[in-house]
Amino acid sequence: QSVLTQPPSASGTPGQRVTISCSGSSSNIGSNTVNWYQHLPGRAPKLLIYSKNQRPSGVPDRFSGSKSGTSASLAISGLQSEDEADYYCTAWDDSLNGRVFGGGTKLTVL
Amino acid sequence: EVQLVESGGGLVQPGGSLRLSCAASGFTFSYYSMNWVRQAPGKGLEWISYISSSSSVIYYADFVKGRFTISRDNAKNSLYLQMNSLRDEDTAVYYCARIVGVSHFDYWGQGTLVTVSS
Repeated sequence: QSVLTQPPSASGTPGQRVTISCSGSSSNIGSNTVNWYQHLPGRAPKLLIYSKNQRPSGVPDRFSGSKSGTSASLAISGLQSEDEADYYCTAWDDSLNGRVFGGGTKLTVL
Repeated sequence: EVQLVESGGGLVQPGGSLRLSCAASGFTFSYYSMNWVRQAPGKGLEWISYISSSSSVIYYADFVKGRFTISRDNAKNSLYLQMNSLRDEDTAVYYCARIVGVSHFDYWGQGTLVTVSS
């Protein structure tokens, strides 16, 4: 069981906006920044969002992140077929003295 | 270009040991802290360990404490993970990842597969 809770699956049609939630606690999301990664099978995970909704160079602005209290979310607008992947949230946990991940959300583009 | 290349994975029997390596290039390795993360078959990403740039600060996930040891050799631009007392549930793809400050992993390797089975 992951420390951060994500829905196991999400879906949308091309052009739609989808959001993926990530729920934690005061010791992780509540007190530290949340990062989001995209992971395709057989590939290295790719950083999408870090710090306060920052995107690395090359990540389109269709991807955005937000945080409120002990929850965070990733929004993907203008959904494209290449967005079909697994998405993970992660944060440092002050109580565990370690980094924790969500269980991952498999996004399907219908 | 930043590159992280893991090696050392393979098939090992339960109770056995394995040493993973991560060769870094394209950046000043000694400036960055590093991590190991794994993904078991059909499961999500799982953080294993963190080591600071000078090796002065090290953290482990509870499930590997006492069994795995992280280390680095800045002169060789290399990160290591010594894994002892391996269990079936340690079967996974193991990734090394560079961390920016204490914030986020910005570069990952392609991973190396470790299979623990008799």
